[in-house]
Amino acid sequence: NAGVMQNPRHLVRRRGQEARLRCSPMKGHSHVYWYRQLPEEGLKFMVYLQKENIIDESGMPKERFSAEFPKEGPSILRIQQVVRGDSAAYFCASSPPPGQTNYEQYFGPGTRLTVT
Amino acid sequence: DQQVKQNSPSLSVQEGRISILNCDYTNSMFDYFLWYKKYPAEGPTFLISISSIKDKNEDGRFTVFLNKSAKHLSLHIVPSQPGDSAVYFCAASGGAGTYKYIFGTGTRLKVLA
Repeated sequence: NAGVMQNPRHLVRRRGQEARLRCSPMKGHSHVYWYRQLPEEGLKFMVYLQKENIIDESGMPKERFSAEFPKEGPSILRIQQVVRGDSAAYFCASSPPPGQTNYEQYFGPGTRLTVT
Repeated sequence: DQQVKQNSPSLSVQEGRISILNCDYTNSMFDYFLWYKKYPAEGPTFLISISSIKDKNEDGRFTVFLNKSAKHLSLHIVPSQPGDSAVYFCAASGGAGTYKYIFGTGTRLKVLA
């Protein structure tokens, strides 16, 4: 049973370029979460998605960032016109549908974005 | 506003001894708490969790204690092993069906052989 997969593991972009980060959830999980970790900080929630539906994007910067989880294929976090401050580790997590019982989110290995 | 705080950025413990990692929270609506372990260049790995209806949960060498009145939880590792050396994150959420985890800044544990 494969875990959460993210690619690429490392991504280097110049200022002004676009970054596309991919996440395939664990088998049987239909809910995906994106978190960002800046150096020396904890993980910060960005967005929560189900298939074809954004449930909560309250942690996403208002501009340049977008996320999707299409019916087929991985979830994608897209950052347009990257700036140096976007350099961070971006982690994807997945879970079964949040319901009446507590659950754990399972994390992928992360994508380390470096903006030069 | 940091709702989940891990005030010790690092901790060193001798192999075989007990490691105690602490976490404080401010939001009384939190009722589900988790500990994750993270090695460099890897994603966080779930360790153990506790619901607010309990004050203790144990899994092998790992025990989490929750003191709701003090809004404090701790992770005990006994006995500590060199392979436990990692960054430990405390996380909290608002309960069943609430998906947003709030993470602390982490404590780097080093277990000395």
